[in-house]
Formats: sequence, structure tokens, C-alpha cells
Amino acid sequence: NAGVTQTPKFRILKIGQSMTLQCTQDMNHNYMYWYRQDPGMGLKLIYYSVGAGITDKGEVPNGYNVSRSTTEDFPLRLELAAPSQTSVYFCASRPGQGIGSNQPQHFGDGTRLSIL
Amino acid sequence: GIQVEQSPPDLILQEGANSTLRCNFSDSVNNLQWFHQNPWGQLINLFYIPSGTKQNGRLSATTVATERYSLLYISSSQTTDSGVYFCAANTGGFKTIFGAGTRLFVKA
Repeated sequence: NAGVTQTPKFRILKIGQSMTLQCTQDMNHNYMYWYRQDPGMGLKLIYYSVGAGITDKGEVPNGYNVSRSTTEDFPLRLELAAPSQTSVYFCASRPGQGIGSNQPQHFGDGTRLSIL
Repeated sequence: GIQVEQSPPDLILQEGANSTLRCNFSDSVNNLQWFHQNPWGQLINLFYIPSGTKQNGRLSATTVATERYSLLYISSSQTTDSGVYFCAANTGGFKTIFGAGTRLFVKA
């Protein structure tokens, strides 16, 4: 059982380039999340999704886009990469029964992204 | 929204020592988790504990929901306990808010 899988693990981008960070979970979880973690800091929520076709902004959504066409996949898109987006990106999921708040989150191993 | 504060921000221990990490939250929570981020950056679930006490080996956690805090106890610390410990809280909606973490270094 793979859990939450993120690809790639590492990436270096030039300013202005675009890329998609992939996230897949095989636990049939409804809720999925994208966080970023800047050096020495905690995690901040970028976007989240409560099911296929439904997404919403978190604390720091500017410069990112997401889509959720299937339950399993929740890709994060950077359209015009900027140095301020250098960070470690974590994807997470949880079952989401009822209002979905009383279940633990499961995290991927992260994607380390550098924008130069 | 809910505020989550952790203390201390940094902690250095001698191997074998015990420690207590604290997480305060500003609102009632439905979901409170403790994570360990190891030196390789992986986030490891430690406890899901919106209330009460749980134990897992040398680690235990207690959440007093009515007083809006949670404690993580590490006993007989080992060098492999080094890393950053995060608590994360959810008030019943879809968003989970993380504290800034406690950075622990255990010396051999």
C-alpha cells in the first residue's frame, strides 16, 4: 500500500518556467491538501480539495493552481515560477467522513523545489 | 481562524533525558495531531489525539481540550528522536493549521 506518493522528489526551475507537482493517493481518501514548508518554518496550506471536482484556497494560494479530476490525483501547478516559491511542498490526504475533521492526515515525502 | 503555538521553539537534550513539548491552540478542536519531521524531511504521524492520553513506546501525548493545550512527552530520549515536532489542529472545517514546530537535538 503506497499511501500518498509525490513526484518529483527534487526539481530546479528557472524563473518564469512552469511545472506540475504530482500527488496520488491509493487510500480512497476524499480530502487532499497541498502545503508548503519554507526553511525553518511550519507548514502553510496552499489549496485543498474535499472531493473530485471541488477545490478551494488555503492560506497562501497566490501563484498556484490545482485541479481534482479524480479521487486519487491532486496535482499542483506553478505557472510562472518565482524565487519566492522555493520551498518544500507536501501533499496530504485523509478520509473525510462526515464533515471530515476527525481523521488524521497522511503525508507524502515532499517535493523539494528550487527556483533560480 | 485558529492559532497554534508551540513551545519551546528549540530544545537540546542529552541522550537519556526526558522532555515535554507543548502545543496551545486558541479555539476548540476536533482534530489534533503530533508529527515528527525527521532530518530527511519526512513527516511521521505520531499521535492523533483530540482529547485524552495515548502512549506509544517512549512517547506519549495528552490533550486537555477544555484548556486548549496538548503535551507531547519524550522519555529516555535517543539521538534518533532529533528533528522537528509539529502539532496541527483542526476546528471542524476542512483546514488544518500547523504550529511553527519545536526543533529537538539529542546529543550522544
